[in-house]
Amino acid sequence: EDQVTQSPEALRLQEGESSSLNCSYTVSGLRGLFWYRQDPGKGPEFLFTLYSAGEEKEKERLKATLTKKESFLHITAPKPEDSATYLCAVRDSWGKFQFGAGTQVVVTP
Amino acid sequence: GAGVSQSPSNKVTEKGKDVELRCDPISGHTALYWYRQSLGQGLEFLIYFQGNSAPDKSGLPSDRFSAERTGGSVSTLTIQRTQQEDSAVYLCASVAVGEQFFGPGTRLTVL
Repeated sequence: EDQVTQSPEALRLQEGESSSLNCSYTVSGLRGLFWYRQDPGKGPEFLFTLYSAGEEKEKERLKATLTKKESFLHITAPKPEDSATYLCAVRDSWGKFQFGAGTQVVVTP
Repeated sequence: GAGVSQSPSNKVTEKGKDVELRCDPISGHTALYWYRQSLGQGLEFLIYFQGNSAPDKSGLPSDRFSAERTGGSVSTLTIQRTQQEDSAVYLCASVAVGEQFFGPGTRLTVL
């Protein structure tokens, strides 16, 4: 059975304090690992898709990396507007998505 | 349209009533997903439509839940005889190659 585990559950950062979020997974036939940002009261917003080990993608202060067992979302010099819940999901060979529980990030000025 | 839309945005109903939630996906997207998100929880997969194939209903929690997709576009999630534990945000998403776009969700409250 596909499983996705995110850690930590919550992360409190000072503005400018870089950190990383972890997403470990087991999946039958990975067809993509997805990262999303979710703000309170809104649907998840797509950030990245990674397909193969060694792949990296960047967007502003965010960088996602992928290995065969886990993915990291690095937040470099975060700002308060980066505060959100970050969700990770894997898509299996049947097309189904399995989501992790998310990491709630709070960035204080 | 510019994105995935869902209606209503909020629905309050009494226990035992039936409700219908609607999702309008992005035009041309062949795959559509329904999820449920309870307060402070991750997304729980409910059902998945891909083109003209039979939907994957493996995530539906009981036979009170059903969904259909008409004309390969609009989808309706129906919950019959609602229970208080059905209270959650119901999210719809449509998929293009490599990306999954979510609607804003319908917040369902069962009194």
